[in-house]
Amino acid sequence: GAVVSQHPSRVICKSGTSVKIECRSLDFQATTMFWYRQFPKKSLMLMATSNEGSKATYEQGVEKDKFLINHASLTLSTLTVTSAHPEDSSFYICSARGVDRYTDTQYFGPGTRLTVL
Amino acid sequence: GNSVTQMEGPVTLSEEAFLTINCTYTATGYPSLFWYVQYPGEGLQLLLKATKADDKGSNKGFEATYRKETTSFHLEKGSVQVSDSAVYFCARSSRGNEKLTFGTGTRLTIIP
Repeated sequence: GAVVSQHPSRVICKSGTSVKIECRSLDFQATTMFWYRQFPKKSLMLMATSNEGSKATYEQGVEKDKFLINHASLTLSTLTVTSAHPEDSSFYICSARGVDRYTDTQYFGPGTRLTVL
Repeated sequence: GNSVTQMEGPVTLSEEAFLTINCTYTATGYPSLFWYVQYPGEGLQLLLKATKADDKGSNKGFEATYRKETTSFHLEKGSVQVSDSAVYFCARSSRGNEKLTFGTGTRLTIIP
């Protein structure tokens, strides 16, 4: 149990375009989802916390207008990178925290590698 | 604030060697402690966790004990395999605070 999927796993886009990344909890309901960014050979940096049905809470230094987060249901959150630029190229990872027996543990998706040309 | 200090890598061991990766945490609040593993090109997988002092988390031959007196949660395995090669992250969360704070990660390479 506690499987989290991400789609797409890899995306290449041109500078100036927008990219949407989906994060789904497959076998549990996630009241809270988290979005992280990981630079090569570095640890994870929390970008934002999203709660179902409410606005996301962004970490200091993360542009909310650039990284749009929507958590429309208990099993789906999306991250849209708007007007992407090469410096946005990174590995984006989501995690989900559940209700019931899956509380207090975050389960991570497999990640999405974004390359902006 | 909350922080996690993790043994810097990279760590290279021979197959069947004993593994220890050190992790210490700041003692604010009542943290839960985690070890996550990241295999090449993949996201993080929960390896084990402990939610209170003296708890021992274990999985796939790995163990870590929540030591309140030394604020540590060191990861150990008695006999490593090539398939254990990955990056290992120590992390903490606090009750009432859902956020995870990660250590910098330790890259482990096991040589046949």
